[in-house]
Amino acid sequence: KQEVTQIPAALSVPEGENLVLNCSFTDSAIYNLQWFRQDPGKGLTSLLLIQSSQREQTSGRLNASLDKSSGRSTLYIAASQPGDSATYLCAVGETSGSRLTFGEGTQLTVNP
Amino acid sequence: EADIYQTPRYLVIGTGKKITLECSQTMGHDKMYWYQQDPGMELHLIHYSYGVNSTEKGDLSSESTVSRIRTEHFPLTLESARPSHTSQYLCASVNSGTSGNTIYFGEGSWLTVV
Repeated sequence: KQEVTQIPAALSVPEGENLVLNCSFTDSAIYNLQWFRQDPGKGLTSLLLIQSSQREQTSGRLNASLDKSSGRSTLYIAASQPGDSATYLCAVGETSGSRLTFGEGTQLTVNP
Repeated sequence: EADIYQTPRYLVIGTGKKITLECSQTMGHDKMYWYQQDPGMELHLIHYSYGVNSTEKGDLSSESTVSRIRTEHFPLTLESARPSHTSQYLCASVNSGTSGNTIYFGEGSWLTVV
């Protein structure tokens, strides 16, 4: 059974810092990996989707990498802003379909 | 912006009541999902559907039931709510395009059973 772990569980940084969120998964036979953002009382917003054949994806200040062999992904946020404060979730898509296994998330606070 | 909607957003009901959480998407997606998330915890898949008249149980055992009579509609029902059902329920649908499976989430339904 796939297990997804995110470290750290919570992170507080001053505005302007670059930061890295980590995600690890136990079964490397994945279809894809996604990073989501969740704001309090809201649903999830997809940030980046990496296919199993890809190494990284970039969107604006966000860069996500994938290393299937080691079962790891990182989300890099450059020049963090207070508006980046949210919970960031990593989810792994299984080979046979679109079902996702989620990590517990990293709660990020960017202080002005 | 994704067109997937959940109602109600917030609901407080008494033990033993029947409740249906609605989820609708206007994107024509075949695959739809219900996830349950307790505060500060990970999401767990409780039901999914790959098309009309197709429903399956997910990874987390749930006393809820679902139906998929129309592509755009995937309601979740609790026949007799209990305090242990207090949670956030998130509906999602997937666009299985050539660029990969992009999943869209609704804003969630917060259920409190008293």
